[in-house]
Amino acid sequence: KAGVTQTPRYLIKTRGQQVTLSCSPISGHRSVSWYQQTPGQGLQFLFEYFSETQRNKGNFPGRFSGRQFSNSRSEMNVSTLELGDSALYLCASSLAGPTGNTIYFGEGSWLTVV
Amino acid sequence: GQNIDQPTEMTATEGAIVQINCTYQTSGFNGLFWYQQHAGEAPTFLSYNVLDGLEEKGRFSSFLSRSKGYSYLLLKELQMKDSASYLCAVIGTGGFKTIFGAGTRLFVKA
Repeated sequence: KAGVTQTPRYLIKTRGQQVTLSCSPISGHRSVSWYQQTPGQGLQFLFEYFSETQRNKGNFPGRFSGRQFSNSRSEMNVSTLELGDSALYLCASSLAGPTGNTIYFGEGSWLTVV
Repeated sequence: GQNIDQPTEMTATEGAIVQINCTYQTSGFNGLFWYQQHAGEAPTFLSYNVLDGLEEKGRFSSFLSRSKGYSYLLLKELQMKDSASYLCAVIGTGGFKTIFGAGTRLFVKA
């Protein structure tokens, strides 16, 4: 059974640009969560999707957005990139949400903003 | 506010036992996870507690006290490969939002 797949793994962008990251959850998993991980802040929750609906979101500016497709694949977008957006972006999937279900993380997408 | 506290770093000796503590203050509680993360890798699941008490899984055990907002991860018979960050995470209100602590970096020395 394939794990959570994130693409691209590494990317470099310039300030002001926008970026789209993709996540394919484990087959059968309908909940997808996104996290930002930086050395100083640890793992910060971005948002969680289930059946194409955003059920919860963290305290990030509106430049961070996401969506989920009917096949449960998810994308997140960051517009007008800032240097501080440089981080590891992790996607996690679970059957129906984190409660009572193990969440499985992808390898992450390393974003560097220059 | 919502807050999860863990020690930043710990050092222990190979073969010993180490306890990593986690205290939390969150809006609602729907369970607590412990994850292990090696440098440059994704976090991997270790344990899940939703009721008070001890959950044992081989060399790893996790304890929860909901009334005290407290959990610990116990690692026995430490091995060099246990050197990693250990993340405490709480599922908050609604059950859809997982809040992570900053993690505890464990160094296992020979």
